[in-house]
Amino acid sequence: GENVEQHPSTLSVQEGDSAVIKCTYSDSASNYFPWYKQELGKGPQLIIDIRSNVGEKKDQRIAVTLNKTAKHFSLHITETQPEDSAVYFCAASEGADGLTFGKGTHLIIQP
Amino acid sequence: DSGVTQTPKHLITATGQRVTLRCSPRSGDLSVYWYQQSLDQGLQFLIQYYNGEERAKGNILERFSAQQFPDLHSELNLSSLELGDSALYFCASSVAAGGNTGELFFGEGSRLTVL
Repeated sequence: GENVEQHPSTLSVQEGDSAVIKCTYSDSASNYFPWYKQELGKGPQLIIDIRSNVGEKKDQRIAVTLNKTAKHFSLHITETQPEDSAVYFCAASEGADGLTFGKGTHLIIQP
Repeated sequence: DSGVTQTPKHLITATGQRVTLRCSPRSGDLSVYWYQQSLDQGLQFLIQYYNGEERAKGNILERFSAQQFPDLHSELNLSSLELGDSALYFCASSVAAGGNTGELFFGEGSRLTVL
């Protein structure tokens, strides 16, 4: 089955700086790569996703890049704000099973 | 509010006991997924149902079982509970069957504590 590795486990950045979270996946058949944000006491919520036929996708301050050859994808958050503090999960799927999630990154935005 | 409802929100029980967690998916969603979240393991996929039928199985223990009813709500049954079963259990729903077909909508979870 799919295995997703996520780094770092904790990331602390100054407000206004950029944050980058990286993930690798093992199954070359995976073709869908979403990112979820989980705030304290809440369930994860989709913030952006990318499919394997696209190399990059952007939505305001967040962007995701995908390198299929290397089997890795990254989340980029620019101009970080206090409300960006949360746990972020990457995930991958090839369709047959549910999403396989990474172990999460706790993003801390320092004022 | 995701539209996915999970009950109970909190549950405390003893080892060896059995509990049932309930999930109502978003209106119109046919797929229900169950995930277990623990501190060191992240979000672990347990099982998926689509329109009443089991569609995919992940790392679900034999002591755990689930079903999806005709009204599309789902229940996760956990039996012979052990201390290590203490975790947050999430239900998620989506319109389509495949894990790669789009957004999963998560409930707020059921926190199980086994003493």
